[in-house]
Amino acid sequence: GNSVTQMEGPVTLSEEAFLTINCTYTATGYPSLFWYVQYPGEGLQLLLKATKADDKGSNKGFEATYRKETTSFHLEKGSVQVSDSAVYFCALVITGGGNKLTFGTGTQLKVEL
Amino acid sequence: AAGVIQSPRHLIKEKRETATLKCYPIPRHDTVYWYQQGPGQDPQFLISFYEKMQSDKGSIPDRFSAQQFSDYHSELNMSSLELGDSALYFCASSLGPGGSKEKLFFGSGTQLSVL
Repeated sequence: GNSVTQMEGPVTLSEEAFLTINCTYTATGYPSLFWYVQYPGEGLQLLLKATKADDKGSNKGFEATYRKETTSFHLEKGSVQVSDSAVYFCALVITGGGNKLTFGTGTQLKVEL
Repeated sequence: AAGVIQSPRHLIKEKRETATLKCYPIPRHDTVYWYQQGPGQDPQFLISFYEKMQSDKGSIPDRFSAQQFSDYHSELNMSSLELGDSALYFCASSLGPGGSKEKLFFGSGTQLSVL
């Protein structure tokens, strides 16, 4: 089956620190990969995506590269802000499998001044 | 811009009661998805509809049913509620059911608490 594994949180960083949230996956087909962000009390928002190997998704200073050889899609940001505090979900969709997402368990990020 | 609207935002029920959750997709979106997110858990896909027909089914209990109406809004009906049904229920919508290139838009969710 399909599954997504994320590093456990919470991750606590100081403002302007470098962020990495690891994500690896297993998939029965050819997946597209996503990072979603969930702010307190809000729904999931698409942060970035990559649809094929070696693609880099980027948005709001966040980046993730689709690495087929390591089945990974790690999320990075060079300098986090307090406003980045949220829960981050890695997810995949199998190409041709509609929009049925398989999520990781989420990683809570806390950024402090 | 209009987003996915879910109602109610919060719902408190007792065991064995029934609940109905509503989802209004983004205008012109014809596909709706339901996800369940338990406390501290990842969202789990329940069911989806495209053009008023069920398009996919995930881990939805038999006690739950859902449908999509002619105006594309969807309702999730939950009967014989159990304590374990307490969760955040997300609805998402998209234009068309297929392909990872179609962007999914999520609502803010309905927080269901079963006492």
